[in-house]
Amino acid sequence: IAGITQAPTSQILAAGRRMTLRCTQDMRHNAMYWYRQDLGLGLRLIHYSNTAGTTGKGEVPDGYSVSRANTDDFPLTLASAVPSQTSVYFCASSETGAEETQYFGPGTRLLVL
Amino acid sequence: GQNIDQPTEMTATEGAIVQINCTYQTSGFNGLFWYQQHAGEAPTFLSYNVLDGLEEKGRFSSFLSRSKGYSYLLLKELQMKDSASYLCAALDSNYQLIWGAGTKLIIKP
Repeated sequence: IAGITQAPTSQILAAGRRMTLRCTQDMRHNAMYWYRQDLGLGLRLIHYSNTAGTTGKGEVPDGYSVSRANTDDFPLTLASAVPSQTSVYFCASSETGAEETQYFGPGTRLLVL
Repeated sequence: GQNIDQPTEMTATEGAIVQINCTYQTSGFNGLFWYQQHAGEAPTFLSYNVLDGLEEKGRFSSFLSRSKGYSYLLLKELQMKDSASYLCAALDSNYQLIWGAGTKLIIKP
């Protein structure tokens, strides 16, 4: 089934640990995004990529890094996790840019203790 | 600053009609999206408006007034499965989406 997959589904992480959230899409979309969603707040863009080999910073990039080595994969890395990074993380993709429909993965629920 | 305002929560009755409002203030404007998000799930696309007016899609319609910075989502013939959060998002001049916090819609029988 075409779409976006994310792994892990959920994770409990000790503060200070490094963690990579995985995201893979099979729709051959050029643009990909990472969001965090916190209670009472809208989705906030962490990083994005308009095409393989390029990335950009969103609204809340500090403490996170991304890479886009190929079209399908867009991993998000927390170099040294802090409790404020406890959130639900969604990966999304669109054909070419944000002016088009974004398709979301099922999310990763992360708890940093 | 950029801002999206929508009500936190609304309650409606099965079979009725409900209108969810959204006002936006962004640096430039390139369109407005509505997404539906069921509890514990990912957002899914409902509608996109870039021109003024009403766009109808089955039981759901979306309206945009660019001069007023205002949009609404109209849901008709409400069903229990419509219980969800409805997210409004505006596309700014840099083609980045600014998201509202969402409106939680509770449908009662």
